[in-house]
Amino acid sequence: DTAVSQTPKYLVTQMGNDKSIKCEQNLGHDTMYWYKQDSKKFLKIMFSYNNKELIINETVPNRFSPKSPDKAHLNLHINSLELGDSAVYFCASSRTRDVNNYGYTFGSGTRLTVV
Amino acid sequence: GQNIDQPTEMTATEGAIVQINCTYQTSGFNGLFWYQQHAGEAPTFLSYNVLDGLEEKGRFSSFLSRSKGYSYLLLKELQMKDSASYLCAIYNFNKFYFGSGTKLNVKP
Repeated sequence: DTAVSQTPKYLVTQMGNDKSIKCEQNLGHDTMYWYKQDSKKFLKIMFSYNNKELIINETVPNRFSPKSPDKAHLNLHINSLELGDSAVYFCASSRTRDVNNYGYTFGSGTRLTVV
Repeated sequence: GQNIDQPTEMTATEGAIVQINCTYQTSGFNGLFWYQQHAGEAPTFLSYNVLDGLEEKGRFSSFLSRSKGYSYLLLKELQMKDSASYLCAIYNFNKFYFGSGTKLNVKP
């Protein structure tokens, strides 16, 4: 039973295309996140939702739009893909928006390659 | 803002002890976390410190000194499966700020 599942695991697409990455958690957590890990391995937060409400929106291009239909799902839609969007995107969840002893549970990542 | 520094890479021998250091500057602090990330996989939570001192969890221990902006992760009785990247992260205002990670190579 995968706790935080992302699909697809790998995504190769051409510049200018629009693509979506889906994330689902079955942990009953209230809060979900999208992080981007670049080629230098830095993990940076992009968005966070708590019970379907957007609570963190870092400075990312507005080509990136998160959508949370319910608290178990947080999808990421990317318009007009650019070469610089190539990275690994991690979805994560936490019990509440205040992380204490438990940290996050991360999904397995989606490796996006824009050609 | 936040600045987090870790060594890029370390090598140690199976069965040995290794200490991975992390120094940070931050405008706010709600805790310091360590994550383990095997190549091509998701980070997994290892430890959490919010107060100064040592937290022990089996073969892994983490230390924090808030006044010095310093933490370390101590791995004992190294095993080959411990070869991974170890990410230091500051938790502040509902966000994690991650260091670039220390790649640990464990050799027989």
